[in-house]
Amino acid sequence: DVKVTQSSRYLVKRTGEKVFLECVQDMDHENMFWYRQDPGLGLRLIYFSYDVKMKEKGDIPEGYSVSREKKERFSLILESASTNQTSMYLCASSTGTSAYEQYFGPGTRLTVT
Amino acid sequence: QQPVQSPQAVILREGEDAVINCSSSKALYSVHWYRQKHGEAPVFLMILLKGGEQKGHEKISASFNEKKQQSSLYLTASQLSYSGTYFCGTRRITDSWGKLQFGAGTQVVVTP
Repeated sequence: DVKVTQSSRYLVKRTGEKVFLECVQDMDHENMFWYRQDPGLGLRLIYFSYDVKMKEKGDIPEGYSVSREKKERFSLILESASTNQTSMYLCASSTGTSAYEQYFGPGTRLTVT
Repeated sequence: QQPVQSPQAVILREGEDAVINCSSSKALYSVHWYRQKHGEAPVFLMILLKGGEQKGHEKISASFNEKKQQSSLYLTASQLSYSGTYFCGTRRITDSWGKLQFGAGTQVVVTP
């Protein structure tokens, strides 16, 4: 079974802190994704990566950056956390580019106070 | 621009049918359906591609009307296990392959 794990299930940070969210997948997938999920808005893509050190912006990249130094690991960085970044963050991975199934991690509930 | 899902919520008794719709104002390459149970990660159900190809779950059916840029997910003879929030994700023809835009979700509750 594909397994996507995220470093924390719940996280509380203060405004202005630098926050790292980590995601690891064990299926040798080329592609990895970061979404945020908010009630009434569904899932919104922040960034995705199709190879080590390669990334593309999603629909809401402002205030976020990403890092992919190893194939299995994809990190989301909030350079200076703000209260409007309080959300559920979901990581996903997939293989292929035309018709691909994404495997999601359990999510990290981030609260910025 | 996110696709529009309807209805927002539906309550069914076991054995009843329901249809969830997903509409886009832009030309689509594919539509992806996921289900998320409370407190869990979204799980893949199906992909429908431009041109009619389908990949996914054998027990759940869906359609993709390319003229209308609309997809429908059919929950037939619903079971308690069908409860959850259903999301459609759409990939527009003009977008990079990795960009899926998800709808706000349709909450489905199946009661005994």
